[in-house]
Amino acid sequence: GAVVSQHPSRVICKSGTSVKIECRSLDFQATTMFWYRQFPKKSLMLMATSNEGSKATYEQGVEKDKFLINHASLTLSTLTVTSAHPEDSSFYICSARDLAGDSVETQYFGPGTRLLVL
Amino acid sequence: GQNIDQPTEMTATEGAIVQINCTYQTSGFNGLFWYQQHAGEAPTFLSYNVLDGLEEKGRFSSFLSRSKGYSYLLLKELQMKDSASYLCAVSDSNYQLIWGAGTKLIIKP
Repeated sequence: GAVVSQHPSRVICKSGTSVKIECRSLDFQATTMFWYRQFPKKSLMLMATSNEGSKATYEQGVEKDKFLINHASLTLSTLTVTSAHPEDSSFYICSARDLAGDSVETQYFGPGTRLLVL
Repeated sequence: GQNIDQPTEMTATEGAIVQINCTYQTSGFNGLFWYQQHAGEAPTFLSYNVLDGLEEKGRFSSFLSRSKGYSYLLLKELQMKDSASYLCAVSDSNYQLIWGAGTKLIIKP
């Protein structure tokens, strides 16, 4: 199946600093990538949809100036959490949409990045 | 509005069979997905249904009835490693995934 990587897997940072998370599709090209946030024992919350070469589409309530998304190539999207605060601590997961052989557009997930802001 | 309902938690015995139900109301339908998520990990793709009927894949099967807005995931010969959350998601008219809150499945020996 399609493989999506995410880096780093875990990061601890001080309040006020910025953190960049990378999401790569390793064996397929993804014109669309998604960024999710997940709180403990909660379902996934879609933050934004990232399209290669264009601006990301943010979900209601997600601050686009705080969560900067760049989708510079067909295999790489980045999420930068700017001026991080403790309430930004969470599990951030990316997914990439792959057009499988049977024309099923399936999202494949990266392993996630656990962010802890002190 | 758009809504996906699935039970919060289920318990089953190792070696048994369990059925996890999912009902949905969405604006448009372009398929239903089931994902498995172990604690602390990202979801992994299990199945996709777009036509009515049963899709079998090893120990896992997924069923869809579009007229009823209903799907289930059937897990056979349960193993301890099947303890996880199972997420139901529907692709709507814009091909966006609408997610259920997930069903936590607890397997007991």
